[in-house]
Amino acid sequence: SAVISQKPSRDICQRGTSLTIQCQVDSQVTMMFWYRQQPGQSLTLIATANQGSEATYESGFVIDKFPISRPNLTFSTLTVSNMSPEDSSIYLCSVGRVETGGEAFFGQGTRLTVV
Amino acid sequence: EDQVTQSPEALRLQEGESSSLNCSYTVSGLRGLFWYRQDPGKGPEFLFTLYSAGEEKEKERLKATLTKKESFLHITAPKPEDSATYLCAVQRVSGTYKYIFGTGTRLKVLA
Repeated sequence: SAVISQKPSRDICQRGTSLTIQCQVDSQVTMMFWYRQQPGQSLTLIATANQGSEATYESGFVIDKFPISRPNLTFSTLTVSNMSPEDSSIYLCSVGRVETGGEAFFGQGTRLTVV
Repeated sequence: EDQVTQSPEALRLQEGESSSLNCSYTVSGLRGLFWYRQDPGKGPEFLFTLYSAGEEKEKERLKATLTKKESFLHITAPKPEDSATYLCAVQRVSGTYKYIFGTGTRLKVLA
């Protein structure tokens, strides 16, 4: 398993501003992903964070809106840019190791409210 | 297109009343199927990985099984602390290791 620290745990932001969410893992991991979870719904993959290169975004998500960095194998950030109330959601960091079977582990999430 | 469907959406059980949750999937080449438990306000907690049809995994009151088209999570004699949302996810053989999640089953076990 892996211990994941995600910060902040929650925030209330003004529309038009940006928020950067950090994900720190206690050991090196092969895979890092960012998900969004709307209240009462399942998880939607935003992007795969690639170490040392641009993230791979899913359909409906773009780099200008959700820039992602992954400078090394233990750390990643997700920025939610130019926020609107529709961005209010829970954002989750997920990590895993290919060599141990691919199961992923999740941070506690960041609950974002845009007003 | 890859798809994961879970049923029922919600389930209420009396303590001790056994039942099963279903996860039906369509994926072009299955690498693995994963079950997670999610409590309110928390991230999903890993439960099981299943790789091939016929495989079974058990943990306390939970047992996961896999066929070529679906997976079941059997809950035997559940307790109130088993109340949570149970999520199923699949991973494809080709491409990245990303997950495709189902919509989840919200389980409530009444004392």
